[in-house]
Amino acid sequence: DADVTQTPRNRITKTGKRIMLECSQTKGHDRMYWYRQDPGLGLRLIYYSFDVKDINKGEISDGYSVSRQAQAKFSLSLESAIPNQTALYFCATSDYRREYNEQFFGPGTRLTVL
Amino acid sequence: AQTVTQSQPEMSVQEAETVTLSCTYDTSESDYYLFWYKQPPSRQMILVIRQEAYKQQNATENRFSVNFQKAAKSFSLKISDSQLGDAAMYFCAYRSYSAYGNKLVFGAGTILRVKS
Repeated sequence: DADVTQTPRNRITKTGKRIMLECSQTKGHDRMYWYRQDPGLGLRLIYYSFDVKDINKGEISDGYSVSRQAQAKFSLSLESAIPNQTALYFCATSDYRREYNEQFFGPGTRLTVL
Repeated sequence: AQTVTQSQPEMSVQEAETVTLSCTYDTSESDYYLFWYKQPPSRQMILVIRQEAYKQQNATENRFSVNFQKAAKSFSLKISDSQLGDAAMYFCAYRSYSAYGNKLVFGAGTILRVKS
């Protein structure tokens, strides 16, 4: 079973709709992240959370919100989706106690906003 | 703010040959980590190799090795004996050393094509 899961894997929605992307992990990591990937731009950080009570904005947080419901769950919401939010979204986790604190990624969610 | 630049949008290599992917970064920090991630068509992000800035020895993982030039702020990835399964998008990434600075900064990526 995958350690970091994302649902849905693919989603098509319409402009103005509210949509939630969910991330769950069984790795026991304290830190969780949301990134978006766009062609030619690589991955950019949207939000990150170091524990349930610690949520921080990343590089491109406008138009997004997050919720850390539990240590293992971190959701990303688009309150009113717009076409330029069409992208591949990744959730990632890390454990600060590990030497490199490297991040482990989920399989991604392909979101299309029409 | 740190930036990461991958100047090669696409690269090609013949199977069994060697290819080097370039990465440069800009930072004012002296301690940090550098990573290479592989993204195959399945779109899963896979960590390939990592390097700590304070270690002079270049990291190696099987057929993958890096050439880390701290003064030049360069972190290239060499893939030896290329295989068809190496075909993917490769991302270079930077992370600050501080415990609170766990954010990854990615380059734009390089698509690697492997010819049989």
